[in-house]
Amino acid sequence: GAGVSQSPRYKVAKRGQDVALRCDPISGHVSLFWYQQALGQGPEFLTYFQNEAQLDKSGLPSDRFFAERPEGSVSTLKIQRTQQEDSAVYLCASSLVRDRAEAFFGQGTRLTVV
Amino acid sequence: GENVEQHPSTLSVQEGDSAVIKCTYSDSASNYFPWYKQELGKRPQLIIDIRSNVGEKKDQRIAVTLNKTAKHFSLHITETQPEDSAVYFCAACGPNDYKLSFGAGTTVTVRA
Repeated sequence: GAGVSQSPRYKVAKRGQDVALRCDPISGHVSLFWYQQALGQGPEFLTYFQNEAQLDKSGLPSDRFFAERPEGSVSTLKIQRTQQEDSAVYLCASSLVRDRAEAFFGQGTRLTVV
Repeated sequence: GENVEQHPSTLSVQEGDSAVIKCTYSDSASNYFPWYKQELGKRPQLIIDIRSNVGEKKDQRIAVTLNKTAKHFSLHITETQPEDSAVYFCAACGPNDYKLSFGAGTTVTVRA
């Protein structure tokens, strides 16, 4: 596709439910990032992949958050036992080259935990 | 880690006037400073960026300036139009060159 694609666009989860958010980066992009954007705030870094290797997961808020990119293209962000504070927009971004921040963002998945 | 502060949080300008948004950063090693525009419910879009080896960059009606000594950078939009209304985010990238630290955003409203 022409841009970064994320699905679903909206997700409502009951507290305690597990969720999986998908990101299809731009074809051929080496780097993939996940960011969390709370309402009225700027995005905050969660994790970074270079191809299939997860090189930085320092921004993941707890061990309930897990991300993978097994074949170096599509990535999934999984949140286990969701809590209300997990409600946010989860943005995926990709970049053509390694270790470069010129990233193109997807439209995000708005997660609401009720 | 890097801390980016952005001001003002809201900005209302008359169509045709200029808009200026300012950001400061804490890590003197930061070397990449992008600006993103985000319309309601849409993805952040990169509109301009600057690296630390230049002091100013311009692209049509938008320009960014960087003062490394003072650790601040600014976005300038001239001849504003209603379609410039959006939330603008500044960001800085530290020495590892991939992790973006964002400001809290500026909501710009251009009055017709």
